[in-house]
Amino acid sequence: DVQMTQSPSTLSASIGDRVTIACRASESVFNWLAWYQQKPGKAPKLLIYRASELEHGVPSRFSGSGSGTEFTLTISSLQPDDFATYYCQQYNTYSPYSFGQGTKVEIK
Amino acid sequence: EVQLLESGAGLVRPGGSLRLSCAASGFPFSSSVMTWVRQGPDKGLQWISTINPSGGNTFYADSVKGRFTISRDNSNNTLYLQMNSLRAEDTAIYYCARIVKGPFDFWGQGTLVAVSS
Repeated sequence: DVQMTQSPSTLSASIGDRVTIACRASESVFNWLAWYQQKPGKAPKLLIYRASELEHGVPSRFSGSGSGTEFTLTISSLQPDDFATYYCQQYNTYSPYSFGQGTKVEIK
Repeated sequence: EVQLLESGAGLVRPGGSLRLSCAASGFPFSSSVMTWVRQGPDKGLQWISTINPSGGNTFYADSVKGRFTISRDNSNNTLYLQMNSLRAEDTAIYYCARIVKGPFDFWGQGTLVAVSS
């Protein structure tokens, strides 16, 4: 099975900061990589799919990049609504779906 | 408006059974791949199971294979998860979600399953 590893586990940042979260796959998942945002007590929300495609309605300050085994989620200018936990997920067709362990973005 | 509403939450003893339901509306359920994901207390997301539109193909995580069964009723726009031989480590919030072209593009609000003696 493909293992997904995110870094860091926790990130402290201020409003307006540029934030980058990394996600590494144990083997190539090509560009079959999604990013989700989850707030406490809420269901996850899809932000990015196919590594870099922005889901409809998601602010353009969110962006994704990478392919193969190395991926990043970037928030260009952190807003109050962005404090949450972020998960990467691989959905390569012939592997069980798997998520990273999550990155919590906290207020500095 | 797309809606997914889970139900079936409960407290069950180890070894017991529970069936979760997910009522779908606002999209063509019968042509949608559907999935279950769970989240343990203060833990991350874990994929559990996926079913194709006809219900003829199902997929399971190793941790639930042989104990959980995913199914669907396309005439009633409802997804199910039958959970047998429950263990303490199955305690989690269970989410149903729709899969569109790979990612899980819409999630229900979740339903809580607690397994304890």
